[in-house]
Amino acid sequence: NAGVTQTPKFQVLKTGQSMTLQCAQDMNHNSMYWYRQDPGMGLRLIYYSASEGTTDKGEVPNGYNVSRLNKREFSLRLESAAPSQTSVYFCASSDRDPAKQFFGPGTRLTVL
Amino acid sequence: QKEVEQNSGPLSVPEGAIASLNCTYSDRGSQSFFWYRQYSGKSPELIMFIYSNGDKEDGRFTAQLNKASQYVSLLIRDSQPSDSATYLCAVFDQTGANNLFFGTGTRLTVIP
Repeated sequence: NAGVTQTPKFQVLKTGQSMTLQCAQDMNHNSMYWYRQDPGMGLRLIYYSASEGTTDKGEVPNGYNVSRLNKREFSLRLESAAPSQTSVYFCASSDRDPAKQFFGPGTRLTVL
Repeated sequence: QKEVEQNSGPLSVPEGAIASLNCTYSDRGSQSFFWYRQYSGKSPELIMFIYSNGDKEDGRFTAQLNKASQYVSLLIRDSQPSDSATYLCAVFDQTGANNLFFGTGTRLTVIP
């Protein structure tokens, strides 16, 4: 039982490049989330998916897209990376209680 | 915009002492409050939650909630060096996005 897994762990991009961050959970949770964490800003919600087939914007969605591929997988795509998107990205999932979330290990992204 | 405020610290306490972490929130209608612990370079982990005014104890941890004053606190008794981490306060927004809003965290160091 791996919980929430994320790939890659580290990534360096150049401005304008695109990439997709992958997230998968094996806890049969309905809801999944993408956050970014920046120094002094705390965790901020980018997008979430309350159930398979649905996605909604969070607090900071601009510059990102998401896909809930199936119940297990929720990906985050940066179409044209910008230095302001340098951050640590966390994926999380929850079962019936959306406030009790389980986090993945994170992806450290640097955009040059 | 839900605001959750925490003193960023660092807060240093000697081993065996009580560590007191505080959090205030802006939305008077908030009902659910959570404490996540985050070790350096790791992902957040839920350690406590509280819904009602008063105290809730779990082992060495006590969460305290005062809705009239809009503050939540976390007490750690008999602090251990392994408690050294950043503690994130989170408030669940049930009226809008049904999501968690996090504070920026308080960094705690327990000195052996």
